[in-house]
Amino acid sequence: TQLLEQSPQFLSIQEGENLTVYCNSSSVFSSLQWYRQEPGEGPVLLVTVVTGGEVKKLKRLTFQFGDARKDSSLHITAAQPGDTGLYLCAGGRGSQGNLIFGKGTKLSVKP
Amino acid sequence: DSGVTQTPKHLITATGQRVTLRCSPRSGDLSVYWYQQSLDQGLQFLIQYYNGEERAKGNILERFSAQQFPDLHSELNLSSLELGDSALYFCASSRGAITVHEQYFGPGTRLTVT
Repeated sequence: TQLLEQSPQFLSIQEGENLTVYCNSSSVFSSLQWYRQEPGEGPVLLVTVVTGGEVKKLKRLTFQFGDARKDSSLHITAAQPGDTGLYLCAGGRGSQGNLIFGKGTKLSVKP
Repeated sequence: DSGVTQTPKHLITATGQRVTLRCSPRSGDLSVYWYQQSLDQGLQFLIQYYNGEERAKGNILERFSAQQFPDLHSELNLSSLELGDSALYFCASSRGAITVHEQYFGPGTRLTVT
């Protein structure tokens, strides 16, 4: 059973388009982190959200944590080829240290 | 550059062998985490050390072990290797012991077992 479900699994769009990827769970998380990973490299932390309903913006990227802290979304405005990569969400629980990862959304932005 | 270093970058070895992967955390970070990433399973948590002590265990096989040294670097030992152990192994570090502290990942070690 995958605790964190990400959708879509694959997304191929043209440069300039907007997109949203989702991270859903039936479990409550105390924090949610989004990472971007390129082939053969380590995940790079984009953002951490900890409060239900929280919205964070990072240039063209907008992250939202659901009110019930069970889901999150990542919205990219005017996507660019440099946004291509695997986007991973990861949930943290209370006193535990390890993150629980979703399987990721593989994004391809074509020029 | 996350500040987390891992060596070696690539490792090719035969079934039945033993290997050691090494990780140095970011300066000031006390927690080290080991994760395994395979194509079908995604990123799976193996084990966490905090300031030299084992803090949490995930789905780590008995053939695998880890330790964190006084200088806070960590080693992951994999023994009696099987073909299915081929994967990317990542180390991450964080300031504290719990997940509100952000985790930063190293570049990984690609292990190929032939």
